[in-house]
Amino acid sequence: NAGVTQTPKFQVLKTGQSMTLQCAQDMNHNSMYWYRQDPGMGLRLIYYSASEGTTDKGEVPNGYNVSRLNKREFSLRLESAAPSQTSVYFCASSSWVTASNEQFFGPGTRLTVL
Amino acid sequence: GENVEQHPSTLSVQEGDSAVIKCTYSDSASNYFPWYKQELGKRPQLIIDIRSNVGEKKDQRIAVTLNKTAKHFSLHITETQPEDSAVYFCAREYGNKLVFGAGTILRVKS
Repeated sequence: NAGVTQTPKFQVLKTGQSMTLQCAQDMNHNSMYWYRQDPGMGLRLIYYSASEGTTDKGEVPNGYNVSRLNKREFSLRLESAAPSQTSVYFCASSSWVTASNEQFFGPGTRLTVL
Repeated sequence: GENVEQHPSTLSVQEGDSAVIKCTYSDSASNYFPWYKQELGKRPQLIIDIRSNVGEKKDQRIAVTLNKTAKHFSLHITETQPEDSAVYFCAREYGNKLVFGAGTILRVKS
């Protein structure tokens, strides 16, 4: 099992450009999450999908959109990138229907917006 | 509210000493409290978790204690080793999400 995979690993954008971060999991998890990590601020939830077909805003959703394409895949889109979106982005998944609530994280995408 | 307060933000200990990190929260509805370790440049990984029906859980050199009345939980690492150096995050369950603390940078000096 690959677990949670993310592409790309690194990306540099110019202000105003758009891009989509891809995430996939092969653990048959119901729930998927997108976080951003900035120095000294921990992991802040951008959007999440509790189950296939649903998406909800997290703590910092402005400037982002998401798509739960199917049970495996959850993408994050930046329509018009801004320097404030420079961050490390992590995707995660979990299965809240089992006894374990553990969230499994992907390797992260380091995004720089110039 | 949703937030989790985590202290200290940085912690330096001598190899072999113990390290304690504490988190507090205000929403009494939480029942699941995990701790994640993140090494430099890596992804966060679960190291231990605790549910509200127990007060303490141990796994070798790591233990977590929970005081639901006082709304705080703590991570204890004994006999620290250089490989314990990392950022540690506490979290609490909120619906089917997790709310994370801001993290503690632990440095173990050899």
